[in-house]
Amino acid sequence: NAGVMQNPRHLVRRRGQEARLRCSPMKGHSHVYWYRQLPEEGLKFMVYLQKENIIDESGMPKERFSAEFPKEGPSILRIQQVVRGDSAAYFCASSPYPPILSSYNEQFFGPGTRLTVL
Amino acid sequence: TQLLEQSPQFLSIQEGENLTVYCNSSSVFSSLQWYRQEPGEGPVLLVTVVTGGEVKKLKRLTFQFGDARKDSSLHITAAQPGDTGLYLCAGVGTNFGNEKLTFGTGTRLTIIP
Repeated sequence: NAGVMQNPRHLVRRRGQEARLRCSPMKGHSHVYWYRQLPEEGLKFMVYLQKENIIDESGMPKERFSAEFPKEGPSILRIQQVVRGDSAAYFCASSPYPPILSSYNEQFFGPGTRLTVL
Repeated sequence: TQLLEQSPQFLSIQEGENLTVYCNSSSVFSSLQWYRQEPGEGPVLLVTVVTGGEVKKLKRLTFQFGDARKDSSLHITAAQPGDTGLYLCAGVGTNFGNEKLTFGTGTRLTIIP
């Protein structure tokens, strides 16, 4: 019964390169959330996706960031032309229910990808 | 924008002591969750409180949701080194379309053996 899986666990990029972060939700979960965490801070919501749909991207920077959750395969968070300020831990979480069907909105988190931009 | 402030931000105490961590907001939440995060790992859900005034116990941890559902506390009795970690509260909004989790600023707890 595998949990949420993220890869890579650590990613180093030079300024201007692209970063691709992958997230495989728990089996049976079709709702995926991405969060960013800076050192010694809480998690900041970025985007909420269901299969093939972006439901809420209110936390995503307007430029360089995109996310997808295709019908088959993992969810991808893509950061183009990375800058040093993008260095952070990026967490994916999954849930079996849409938030509107559960006042709990309990989410299960992956181990994160730590992105370092040189 | 809903904000959750946690206090203290950092706490370092001796093994065996008691402690309380607070999570406060001016907004009402339909439910509130507490997570613990260890270095290099993702947050792990500890508990969800839903009803105003609700109290839940998890071994030596006691969680309380404020009567007005705007605040919560986590009390740890007889702290142990295994309790060390980053404690995060997270609230679920009450409005349609605002059900996403809002995380608190975090409390970094260190228990000294």
